[in-house]
Amino acid sequence: GAGVSQTPSNKVTEKGKYVELRCDPISGHTALYWYRQSLGQGPEFLIYFQGTGAADDSGLPNDRFFAVRPEGSVSTLKIQRTERGDSAVYLCASSPLGTGTDTQYFGPGTRLTVL
Amino acid sequence: DAKTTQPPSMDCAEGRAANLPCNHSTISGNEYVYWYRQIHSQGPQYIIHGLKNNETNEMASLIITEDRKSSTLILPHATLRDTAVYYCIVRATFSGNTPLVFGKGTRLSVIA
Repeated sequence: GAGVSQTPSNKVTEKGKYVELRCDPISGHTALYWYRQSLGQGPEFLIYFQGTGAADDSGLPNDRFFAVRPEGSVSTLKIQRTERGDSAVYLCASSPLGTGTDTQYFGPGTRLTVL
Repeated sequence: DAKTTQPPSMDCAEGRAANLPCNHSTISGNEYVYWYRQIHSQGPQYIIHGLKNNETNEMASLIITEDRKSSTLILPHATLRDTAVYYCIVRATFSGNTPLVFGKGTRLSVIA
């Protein structure tokens, strides 16, 4: 079946601009996660949704970052007033139930470059 | 911060077993050990997880020491396609869903 998909695969923007990154989870998966991965580092957690609500947003670095999942499936990560330090690969994952031992399935990521 | 320690890199000859170690000396009784890998330019891929018993699936085996302070991921017959960064993750599950906390992992190079 189809896995997690993310669009665009690459995004280049200028400092100060607004960007939106989209994640399509595996159909029927209740939980959805966003991670960010800088060069040479492991992924870092940003936010997690259980259904439509953000169950844990403790990883969002500041209020320029916001994410939504209005219908409990597709999610959009929004970054306002982008900075060069926001350049990274943004990864999305989904899991069936959102329980403690759920396996998370990752998408290929969106590479964001802020010039 | 990650609660695990892994060597930064390892090499393995194609066709041989790859044994990837992980130290998690502060692991709690109800924390699981998870392994993911990330092939270049792809998202992380789940491999296996365990609590205290050894586990095996079609991808790998996971050996957890009796005191649970360390574990080893075994790829029994490594191929070139197994070249990737391997992440060992300790995950609390008693308080419901928790995010994965990745360290820097081990970069495994399988050599022909």
